[in-house]
Amino acid sequence: DAKTTQPNSMESNEEEPVHLPCNHSTISGTDYIHWYRQLPSQGPEYVIHGLTSNVNNRMASLAIAEDRKSSTLILHRATLRDAAVYYCILIGLGNTGKLIFGQGTTLQVKP
Amino acid sequence: EAGVAQSPRYKIIEKRQSVAFWCNPISGHATLYWYQQILGQGPKLLIQFQNNGVVDDSQLPKDRFSAERLKGVDSTLKIQPAKLEDSAVYLCASSSYRGRIVYEQYFGPGTRLTVT
Repeated sequence: DAKTTQPNSMESNEEEPVHLPCNHSTISGTDYIHWYRQLPSQGPEYVIHGLTSNVNNRMASLAIAEDRKSSTLILHRATLRDAAVYYCILIGLGNTGKLIFGQGTTLQVKP
Repeated sequence: EAGVAQSPRYKIIEKRQSVAFWCNPISGHATLYWYQQILGQGPKLLIQFQNNGVVDDSQLPKDRFSAERLKGVDSTLKIQPAKLEDSAVYLCASSSYRGRIVYEQYFGPGTRLTVT
């Protein structure tokens, strides 16, 4: 599976939008982009995933660059509960479904 | 819908002792995963089951770790004998993954193991 690169940490103010970037320059055409987050002392939780088009759900939006070499997870209004480690993970066809976690981005939300 | 259940939540043992963790996945989920998360790192897959068969155990230290999933539902992960470096959170996850379609994984709260 292709490698992803994320900033180690980011800060945001409460109720402001947050844009979490992910670079995946070696992505293949059949790799899906998945985002998970892990709140303190909890297991990871699924946030969103996409292939080529931008995606929206109740938790977040996923913006995928036209060349698919990067993507951005967008939290529209950050809350204190959104403070977590966010992981960007590529899953390709033929992958058994396992998740390969990197270091992720630690998001701090300030009141 | 009930989530993934794990027990115990915490365990402290001495090195060279044995320990077992239990996981009950979401009802109907065919795929079950065990991950190890060392402090400050992302989770690492130890073993993946599809029903009661092993799909991937390439990163499982087989000299000391073992896992089983009898009847394709609950699973147990065992460490015998434990080493200091096994101190970590052990996470169980399940999904509806079948074949080439990847569904989201649902994680349990984890078991925090401390080996002294």
